[in-house]
Amino acid sequence: DVQLVESGGGLVKPGGSLRLSCAGSGFTFRSAWMSWVRQAPGKGPEWVGLIRSKSDGWTTVYAAPVKGRFTISRDDSKNTVSLQMNSLKTDDTAVYHCTTGGQFWFDPWGQGTLVTVSS
Amino acid sequence: QSVVTQPPSASGTPGQRVTISCSGSSSNIGSDTVNWYRRLPGTAPKLLIYNNNERPSGVPDRFSGSKSGTSASLAISGLQSEDEADYYCAAWDDSLNGWVFGGGTKLTVL
Repeated sequence: DVQLVESGGGLVKPGGSLRLSCAGSGFTFRSAWMSWVRQAPGKGPEWVGLIRSKSDGWTTVYAAPVKGRFTISRDDSKNTVSLQMNSLKTDDTAVYHCTTGGQFWFDPWGQGTLVTVSS
Repeated sequence: QSVVTQPPSASGTPGQRVTISCSGSSSNIGSDTVNWYRRLPGTAPKLLIYNNNERPSGVPDRFSGSKSGTSASLAISGLQSEDEADYYCAAWDDSLNGWVFGGGTKLTVL
């Protein structure tokens, strides 16, 4: 079975940094585009960004609200994808989901990790 | 406000057919395919419909999707109590160069 497990969430002050990780298993990780999608309480999902596979150049694309603050990276030798979040704002408070895809759709999604930005 | 809009709520009785709409623009739904996701309480969203009207393996044929112009719809026939969930549409937006999601529709089975 395909599995995605996120970790690294927590409470951080505005302006602070946090690094999320996602471990994938049950699929050919190196061939997959990987994305991060977040969902704030009571709101719809919001796409954060994606990283393409090696064959597609390992290139990244980010949503406007996080561009320049967030960085997505991957380690295909460890089947992990990471989300480095800097200059965090209260609006970044959400559950962050790792998901395979981003080229055509997102499937599956991990359970998510909660990030709370508050003083 | 979301770039793609959905009604915040929908409801129906067991056995009924309900539809959930998703309205976008020429830069997203009008130029790309639509996917639908369902989020059951306490779980992560799951792909329900892809490429406007295709169902992943395991999704019953009670669920169907359609698209016309800049709008899309999700139809659920033979409504069941376990269909109570939040439903989201999504599409790639060429102007924003990113994915956009609807705000979600909470379906209640009365």
